Amino acid sequence: EVQLVQSGAEVKKPGESLKISCRGSGYSFTDYWIGWVRQMPGKGLEWMGIIYPGDSDTRYSPSFQGQVTISADKSISTAYLQWSSLKASDTAMYYCARQYCSGGSCYPAMFDYWGQGTLITVSS
Amino acid sequence: DIQMTQSPSFLSASVGDRVTITCRASQGISNYLAWYQQKPGKVPKLLIYAASTLQSGVPSRFSGSGSGTDFTLTISSLQPEDVATYYCLNYNSALGTFGQGTKVEIK
Repeated sequence: EVQLVQSGAEVKKPGESLKISCRGSGYSFTDYWIGWVRQMPGKGLEWMGIIYPGDSDTRYSPSFQGQVTISADKSISTAYLQWSSLKASDTAMYYCARQYCSGGSCYPAMFDYWGQGTLITVSS
Repeated sequence: DIQMTQSPSFLSASVGDRVTITCRASQGISNYLAWYQQKPGKVPKLLIYAASTLQSGVPSRFSGSGSGTDFTLTISSLQPEDVATYYCLNYNSALGTFGQGTKVEIK
């Protein structure tokens, strides 16, 4: 069974750093792109970026380029999303998700399996 | 980057009604369009990909159409369990873009 398990909720202060995780299991972690999606309170889904754990090839939405860093450690089947200096506007639910593949066709930017979400609250 | 514009932002309909949501891309994306359903407090669920292909296990009352810049999600007979927010997603490159969402409620 494919599973993506994310790290727990965090409460941080502005200016602090943070790294959240997403561990994949039940499939070959290095063969599928993993993406991150933001959902601010009461708002819609925002596509942030993706990483291919096999070679760490990473793509960012222009809206998130330079704001976050996506990485992966294939030895422990885990992808990460990190901030060097959090802002109050980073308060949101963050989801990781795995790319969709079917019938031999795979689409890096579309997702089928999702993690349960990690709620980040940034407040002074 | 490609922008995705969904309409309406909110709709209220009766059980059994036919419901249509549209999504427009700022430039042609062929059929690289997916639809997701997100129920309150839940993780998004893939309904349709390639503009019109129903994901396995999704009820047949859901359908999608369109190509290029204009796409439609239709629920042929709205059910109480369809209360959710629906999002389109453009995935025609290695960068994706979601529409802003359409909240569907029962009248």
